[in-house]
Amino acid sequence: ILNVEQSPQSLHVQEGDSTNFTCSFPSSNFYALHWYRWETAKSPEALFVMTLNGDEKKKGQISATLNTKEGYSYLYIKGSQPEDSATYLCAPQKTSYDKVIFGPGTSLSVIP
Amino acid sequence: DSGVTQTPKHLITATGQRVTLRCSPRSGDLSVYWYQQSLDQGLQFLIQYYNGEERAKGNILERFSAQQFPDLHSELNLSSLELGDSALYFCASSRGWTVSPLHFGNGTRLTVT
Repeated sequence: ILNVEQSPQSLHVQEGDSTNFTCSFPSSNFYALHWYRWETAKSPEALFVMTLNGDEKKKGQISATLNTKEGYSYLYIKGSQPEDSATYLCAPQKTSYDKVIFGPGTSLSVIP
Repeated sequence: DSGVTQTPKHLITATGQRVTLRCSPRSGDLSVYWYQQSLDQGLQFLIQYYNGEERAKGNILERFSAQQFPDLHSELNLSSLELGDSALYFCASSRGWTVSPLHFGNGTRLTVT
């Protein structure tokens, strides 16, 4: 079982604030790191799948960076909006056909 | 629409009964994953199949079993149901042979009374 940690557990920010969260994972036997956004009463949706050390991906106002050597990834949201309120999950993967085990998530609430 | 179809959407049954949850993966995906979300819990990994074969098991109870058929659809069988099995069960699929994200179905809400 992969030990995946996410911090903080929850976050409350004002609309327009920028924020970031951390995902920590074992750096050995690394293949890919997944980020998902999970809104209440919906299904998780993929944000990014990252594989290369130093990789940075961006989708709108959301971006992520990856450090495979030290085993962490940061997710940034610039100018948070109420619709960004969700739980953000990360999950490492050892091969393309390996299990994907999610961390506990970071719950983000953006207050209008 | 993720392209992953789960049926039924809702299931209400009594303790001791057996149910089957069905999942049709996205076209072209070979990997199927099953997850359980109990009340106020995160996504707990149950089991994964790749191209018809079991690839990995998580914290899946012995009362639970699953399989992936030649047409790649998957079924999760839950037997001797207990109240604590009430949860939202998600199926997800991915390509499996290359880097690819998981695509989730809408889930099956199981209520055991």
